[in-house]
Amino acid sequence: DAGVIQSPRHEVTEMGQEVTLRCKPISGHDYLFWYRQTMMRGLELLIYFNNNVPIDDSGMPEDRFSAKMPNASFSTLKIQPSEPRDSAVYFCASSTTSGYYNEQFFGPGTRLTVL
Amino acid sequence: SQKIEQNSEALNIQEGKTATLTCNYTNYSPAYLQWYRQDPGRGPVFLLLIRENEKEKRKERLKVTFDTTLKQSLFHITASQPADSATYLCALEGSGGYQKVTFGTGTKLQVIP
Repeated sequence: DAGVIQSPRHEVTEMGQEVTLRCKPISGHDYLFWYRQTMMRGLELLIYFNNNVPIDDSGMPEDRFSAKMPNASFSTLKIQPSEPRDSAVYFCASSTTSGYYNEQFFGPGTRLTVL
Repeated sequence: SQKIEQNSEALNIQEGKTATLTCNYTNYSPAYLQWYRQDPGRGPVFLLLIRENEKEKRKERLKVTFDTTLKQSLFHITASQPADSATYLCALEGSGGYQKVTFGTGTKLQVIP
C-alpha cells in the first residue's frame, strides 16, 4: 500500500484566495483525520470522519474552514478565504477499527504558506 | 481545561545512553496513551500504545510506562543511537470519541555520537 497520500505537498497563496488540500486514505481504513501543525500550537485535530461521515468538527477554527469526504478514498479540506495565520503544515491521517492498536497513519503533509 | 505537557526543550544525550522522555497530563482520563515519532518534513509515525490498565509496555529498545495516579507516561529508548534523533509526541485517547486523540507538542531528542 502506498500509505496516506496528500496533495499538494507545498502550497503558496495570497491572502483571500481559496485553498483546497486533498487526501487519499489507506484503502480499507474507516477513519480519516485532518490535523494542523504549527510551532506554537503543535498538532491540532481539526475534524475527523468515520465511514465518510463527519463525527467531530469542533477543532475547525472558523467558518472559513470546511471539509468533505465524498467517498471512502478521498477527502478535501478547503480554506476560503485564506489568511496569513492559516500558514501551517496540514496532515491527513487514517486508521481502522479492525486493527489491534488504534494507531493513526499519517500522510506527508501539505505545507501551506499564505502571504 | 485538558492539558498535555511534554518537555519543550530539546533533550541531548550521548549515544549508548538511555533517553527518557516525559508526558504529563491534567484534567484528562485517557483510556489509551500513544507515542509517535516525527522526523523533519514528515508526518508522525506510531511507535507504541499503552492502555490505562497496563503499567508498562516494551518493544525492542523502547519502553513505555503509564501511571494514571501521577498522570504521567515515561518513554525510554535504551542503547540510544543517532538514528533515534527525532521529535517524539505523546497522544492521549479518552472518552471523547473513539479514535480521537489529543497530541502533546513533542520533545526533540538529539543523540550525539
